[in-house]
This record gives sequence, C-alpha cells and structure tokens, in this order.
Amino acid sequence: EVHLLESGGGLIQPGGSLRLSCAASGFTFSNYAMTWVRQAPGKGLEWVSSISGSGDSKYYADSVKGRFTISRDNSKNTVSLQMNSLRVEDTAVYYCAKIHYYDTSGFIESWGQGALLTVSS
Amino acid sequence: SSELTQGPALSVALGQTVRITCQGDSLRNHYATWFHQKPGQAPILVIYGKNNRPSGIPERFSGSNSGNTASLTITGAQAEDEGDYYCESRDSSGHYVIFGGGTKLTVL
Repeated sequence: EVHLLESGGGLIQPGGSLRLSCAASGFTFSNYAMTWVRQAPGKGLEWVSSISGSGDSKYYADSVKGRFTISRDNSKNTVSLQMNSLRVEDTAVYYCAKIHYYDTSGFIESWGQGALLTVSS
Repeated sequence: SSELTQGPALSVALGQTVRITCQGDSLRNHYATWFHQKPGQAPILVIYGKNNRPSGIPERFSGSNSGNTASLTITGAQAEDEGDYYCESRDSSGHYVIFGGGTKLTVL
C-alpha cells in the first residue's frame, strides 16, 4: 500500500524559508514521478511542482517559480520542497502526491495527508 | 487556454444520478482525472484515463469525455459521496498540472 507522509510544516514569517519533506513507502520510489499540490484555507487545489523519477526533470507553477525548489533522494525514498521568500499567499496545506508514471505526464494517483504551512507576521 | 471550469455546487437526492462537468481546451488532448475530497481529508482518486476506477472505488462512479468537456457521473448517489470534486488535466506539454475550481456536491 502506498504511504506518503509529509513533514516540515509550521508557522513562518513572510520572507522566510522552509523545507517540506515527504517520506514514501509501499512502492519502488525511483520508478515514479512525484508532485506537490497545495490548498489554501477554504480554497481549491493548486499544483505547485513536479519531478520525474530520476529527478532530471522538474516543473514549477508560475506562482512559485524562482522561489521554490523540488528535489528527491531516491536512496532515502524522499521528495522535498525548499521554499524561499515565502509570502502570506503561500499559506496552505501542502500535499505530496505520487504520479502513476516515471515521467511527470502521468496522472496523480495517491496523496499524502498534507502539511500545513502558515506564513504570517 | 490553461483553465478548467467547474460549476461551484450541485445537489442530488439520495439514490439519484448526478453529473459533474469540467470544461477546458486541454481536455481536447488529455483525459480528465477526477478526485473526491471530504472536509479535512486529502483528495482521493476516483476516475482516471478514458473511464477507469482505481481499486476500491464503487462502480457507481464513471467518467466520459466529449470535445472540451469531461464528466463524472455518480449513478445512485450515496451519503458518503458528499464533498468536493476536482477535475485535473495537463497543458499542451503534458507536464504542467491544471486543476478545476472544484464542485461541492450535496446529497439530500
């Protein structure tokens, strides 16, 4: 069974940095692309970033490009999201999700339970 | 266009059929994926590809596609089907994810 567990959320001031991590289990991690999706309080889902199984290909939403960096460690079955220059509008629950393919063009298959990031002074 | 449009809310009587729609140019080239989210929970996958259900998703859920419109149909809605439904597709490159705004379903 696929299990995704996010960690690293919390309260941070605007302009600050934070790193989210997602520990994966139940599947051969390096064979699948991964993605981050966020959901602001009371709002819909917003895609943030995706990374291929090898980590060679990375994609970002315009709203986070240049501020967020996605990475993965296939030896530790983890995917991370380094978030810099945080803004109040980055406040959201951040979900780690598995893509049903090695390439990021596959559909989103499984979701973690989410980690809450609050950006506030 | 890189947008997906969903109606904000629908209601259905218990046991009746409801269709949730999603419109967008990207749907002409990519199948929609559908997710169900209950309050305080993570989304779960209910339909992917042409009309495929993951293991554990009831047969009452089905998907269809026509032109720039994708539909999720629940035949015989149950109380546990309440919640938000999101469609998802991709841009022309296939790598940038697009979500619809979500449809809130109430089962009466």
